[in-house]
Amino acid sequence: EPEVTQTPSHQVTQMGQEVILRCVPISNHLYFYWYRQILGQKVEFLVSFYNNEISEKSEIFDDQFSVERPDGSNFTLKIRSTKLEDSAMYFCASSEQGNGGYTFGSGTRLTVV
Amino acid sequence: AQTVTQSQPEMSVQEAETVTLSCTYDTSESNYYLFWYKQPPSRQMILVIRQEAYKQQNATENRFSVNFQKAAKSFSLKISDSQLGDTAMYFCAFMGYNNNDMRFGAGTRLTVKP
Repeated sequence: EPEVTQTPSHQVTQMGQEVILRCVPISNHLYFYWYRQILGQKVEFLVSFYNNEISEKSEIFDDQFSVERPDGSNFTLKIRSTKLEDSAMYFCASSEQGNGGYTFGSGTRLTVV
Repeated sequence: AQTVTQSQPEMSVQEAETVTLSCTYDTSESNYYLFWYKQPPSRQMILVIRQEAYKQQNATENRFSVNFQKAAKSFSLKISDSQLGDTAMYFCAFMGYNNNDMRFGAGTRLTVKP
């Protein structure tokens, strides 16, 4: 069964450093998403991406966040200057149509120290 | 804004028994999608079941079924013949028909006991 692949599975970074989280969505999917889950809390929407541009973003997705699809397969989330409160599980997801039923990746656990 | 409420932070059930997880939501939209996702200890988010609001028939997937009450804005998940592998966090989620963002509830931690 097709999978969404995320790398790395766990990343530790110093506060103030830039991090790039990587995702390879399912190849025929057109809609891409990033969500995050602070430990023990609910899953929160960050951003959706379609047709090479952001289609929606939440209030969490401020200027320190950016997304990119640098080639035909990767979809990245960059955090420019990490803060302690950015520590969370970050999930990438993709869907063939923009009506839910996403396939999620297995997540990247980001720890900011 | 849409909100999703899961009022049961934790539940437990004996293996082979049936359990129902509750979910309510708030929206002014008439067309939307509802989901249940399972998050086992591996932390991966796995789609369990999906319901389209314009369909009156309740969705089913093997041992999993929903009771969708549109007027009451209720979307409960029933797990029949519970198995140890069903132990996980279960998240209810809402997505508007014309939106791209999915709103999740706070989750219910289900433990299946042998």
